[in-house]
Amino acid sequence: DGGITQSPKYLFRKEGQNVTLSCEQNLNHDAMYWYRQDPGQGLRLIYYSQIVNDFQKGDIAEGYSVSREKKESFPLTVTSAQKNPTAFYLCASTLLAGEGNEQFFGPGTRLTVL
Amino acid sequence: GQQVMQIPQYQHVQEGEDFTTYCNSSTTLSNIQWYKQRPGGHPVFLIQLVKSGEVKKQKRLTFQFGEAKKNSSLHITATQTTDVGTYFCAGRWASGTYKYIFGTGTRLKVLA
Repeated sequence: DGGITQSPKYLFRKEGQNVTLSCEQNLNHDAMYWYRQDPGQGLRLIYYSQIVNDFQKGDIAEGYSVSREKKESFPLTVTSAQKNPTAFYLCASTLLAGEGNEQFFGPGTRLTVL
Repeated sequence: GQQVMQIPQYQHVQEGEDFTTYCNSSTTLSNIQWYKQRPGGHPVFLIQLVKSGEVKKQKRLTFQFGEAKKNSSLHITATQTTDVGTYFCAGRWASGTYKYIFGTGTRLKVLA
């Protein structure tokens, strides 16, 4: 099955700890994205990557870091510098060739910092 | 910075009534996408609009892109309980970069 996976579904961490969220896709998509969604809110872009070994900051990159060492993988690290890390994190990917560019989303990871 | 304003924030309708959500950008968009997120789920792509004045239909859903490519709307005719969810628009400004900014969403509740 082709798709985009995120793990784990639920994650609990103590305040002050770094945590890494996994995002993997086997769709051969070029671009990958990380969004944050707070209750009743829209999606805010954290980081995105259009090509391996390159990524750009979104609107709320402070306190987060990413890497894109492989086309299939785009892990997000939530560092202790992120002041309000509790949120729903969504990863997405898209194929850049052609006009489609629809974003396919993973099921999300709900992070709770205690 | 680049923003997409979306209204209304919430909409409650009786089953069978129509529903419309609107997105507005202060600057010209390259294209706009629409997504639906069911409660507890993740956003699912509905459609992409690229051309000025474009209108696309999917069964009871009608999507429009304004002539100036600064606004867009999604209209649902005769809502059903399966339409419940939050509808988001996502705008892209500059061609060559695939960064999308999402609107705040419109949460639709359909009363049977």
